[in-house]
Amino acid sequence: GEDVEQSLFLSVREGDSSVINCTYTDSSSTYLYWYKQEPGAGLQLLTYIFSNMDMKQDQRLTVLLNKKDKHLSLRIADTQTGDSAIYFCAESKSGGYQKVTFGTGTKLQVIP
Amino acid sequence: NAGVTQTPKFQVLKTGQSMTLQCAQDMNHNSMYWYRQDPGMGLRLIYYSASEGTTDKGEVPNGYNVSRLNKREFSLRLESAAPSQTSVYFCASSEAWGNTEAFFGQGTRLTVV
Repeated sequence: GEDVEQSLFLSVREGDSSVINCTYTDSSSTYLYWYKQEPGAGLQLLTYIFSNMDMKQDQRLTVLLNKKDKHLSLRIADTQTGDSAIYFCAESKSGGYQKVTFGTGTKLQVIP
Repeated sequence: NAGVTQTPKFQVLKTGQSMTLQCAQDMNHNSMYWYRQDPGMGLRLIYYSASEGTTDKGEVPNGYNVSRLNKREFSLRLESAAPSQTSVYFCASSEAWGNTEAFFGQGTRLTVV
């Protein structure tokens, strides 16, 4: 079955870049997502990438996809204290949400 | 805009009690979902409703029932709560089946003692 793995914790200094990594097992994944969860809140979609893309950039966010290694990463440039949150990687085959598999989440701590 | 609203935000139940978690969305979305979030396990889908009038089981449906009351509302019922159902529950909605973005409520933190 599908499996999505992430490290549980990452700590960076304010102003540095953060890189959050994710590996997935299903080679037929079509969509790969990054969600952000702030304390006490629900998840919010940050960005997504189609499996036929290698990279997607959106302001301070860069998503890299290595399909061969089934590896997805999220780079946050110039990390701010407001970026402190849990980041979830997720994948789906059809884009329909019933088939989305979420990772365990990576808690990003930004040190001032 | 309210988006997705869940009630209650917090609840403590005794083992064997029942309760219903309410969810409503005001974005005219067709699809709605219930997830549970447990430490170190990501989000797991309990039930979903692809459109008004339909519901289907997700990954972890045992011990739960759902009702898609109308297009706006999707409720989750625990008939006889168990400690294993202690979790944070999230409702989500999306515009259409296959849409790439889902909108989440703020969650219900449920403790079963």
